[in-house]
Amino acid sequence: SQQGEEDPQALSIQEGENATMNCSYKTSINNLQWYRQNSGRGLVHLILIRSNEREKHSGRLRVTLDTSKKSSSLLITASRAADTASYFCATGITGRRALTFGSGTRLQVQP
Amino acid sequence: GAGVSQTPSNKVTEKGKYVELRCDPISGHTALYWYRQSLGQGPEFLIYFQGTGAADDSGLPNDRFFAVRPEGSVSTLKIQRTERGDSAVYLCASSRSGGATDTQYFGPGTRLTVL
Repeated sequence: SQQGEEDPQALSIQEGENATMNCSYKTSINNLQWYRQNSGRGLVHLILIRSNEREKHSGRLRVTLDTSKKSSSLLITASRAADTASYFCATGITGRRALTFGSGTRLQVQP
Repeated sequence: GAGVSQTPSNKVTEKGKYVELRCDPISGHTALYWYRQSLGQGPEFLIYFQGTGAADDSGLPNDRFFAVRPEGSVSTLKIQRTERGDSAVYLCASSRSGGATDTQYFGPGTRLTVL
């Protein structure tokens, strides 16, 4: 079963614009991770934020986590056509090593 | 450096047949995971190995699914009496030690189609 819901399901923007994707989850977590997937195949790990962190940056990526609302957001600044992909949030819970993924946001960046 | 590799990349089989999917993790990674991804969905966990043992097989949907990792490296996911509903991309991932915050590195997946 999917732990998280992502919003929006699909997003289309112009190159240079910012893209924001949101993730909500149901249970208490140890950490939340964001992954990117091109063409429905292998996933690439982007960033991990621990449950005691509120914000994290990596290059053009900014992730926030609000554990009281059980939600996270991924912001991609100054988007590029190469950012076109599906983005998934995944949660880790204490005592389990399996990740539970959301249903993903399909991002299209128009050149 | 080699990443996680999976073979075959595509597998087409007929309903009722037996299939084996192989995963070769990153060298030295002790933790190995199998996930299944249906079209338009996120990956769903199947099984997690720490070394040679299955530490968590709670995601296996039924007893037609079985996985092994006899030498703590390569793993094989085995599906008996395949059904059309088994059609999906099967993803394998490995991580260095299986810690809660270890990055899981994913392979390209095997696309299984059951006719």
